[in-house]
Amino acid sequence: DAGVIQSPRHEVTEMGQEVTLRCKPISGHDYLFWYRQTMMRGLELLIYFNNNVPIDDSGMPEDRFSAKMPNASFSTLKIQPSEPRDSAVYFCASSRITGTGELFFGEGSRLTVL
Amino acid sequence: GQQVMQIPQYQHVQEGEDFTTYCNSSTTLSNIQWYKQRPGGHPVFLIQLVKSGEVKKQKRLTFQFGEAKKNSSLHITATQTTDVGTYFCEGTNAGKSTFGDGTTLTVKP
Repeated sequence: DAGVIQSPRHEVTEMGQEVTLRCKPISGHDYLFWYRQTMMRGLELLIYFNNNVPIDDSGMPEDRFSAKMPNASFSTLKIQPSEPRDSAVYFCASSRITGTGELFFGEGSRLTVL
Repeated sequence: GQQVMQIPQYQHVQEGEDFTTYCNSSTTLSNIQWYKQRPGGHPVFLIQLVKSGEVKKQKRLTFQFGEAKKNSSLHITATQTTDVGTYFCEGTNAGKSTFGDGTTLTVKP
């Protein structure tokens, strides 16, 4: 069984550029989560989807961030325009049941904004 | 909002020594999950605790959920170098989950 697949694994970009991170959840998982991890702020939940519908986006930092889930097997997190403070590791995770089940994390996308 | 605090932030031990990390929530939890993240890796689920006072064991790891369901602990007996990493708790209440900041364990051979 393939796990959660994220791409790219590493991205280096310049301030002001658009960044798109991609995620393929585990087949059959109804919930998809986007997290951001930094040394200063730890693991932060940005947004999560249930059956492709965004349920809670209260963790999305600001309007520069947007996330979509057009179908059950694909999600994107977009940052436009990117800023140096967006540098972090972005994890996608999926689960069968939110809040009561285990989260399966992807290997993460390490973003560096210069 | 719900806050989940973990202590200590860092722990350095000699191989063979025991290790414990504590997780404390500002609110009563319905359940708590523990994850381990190796350096450069991603969080990997270890266990979930649901019942008040619950104790679960996985080989050298012992997980405990407090009677009031506001705190939890992870204890590792006789640490090994393979135990290095950051251990996170994730507290869940009313469908919302919050990760603690983690305890980073280093083990000196």
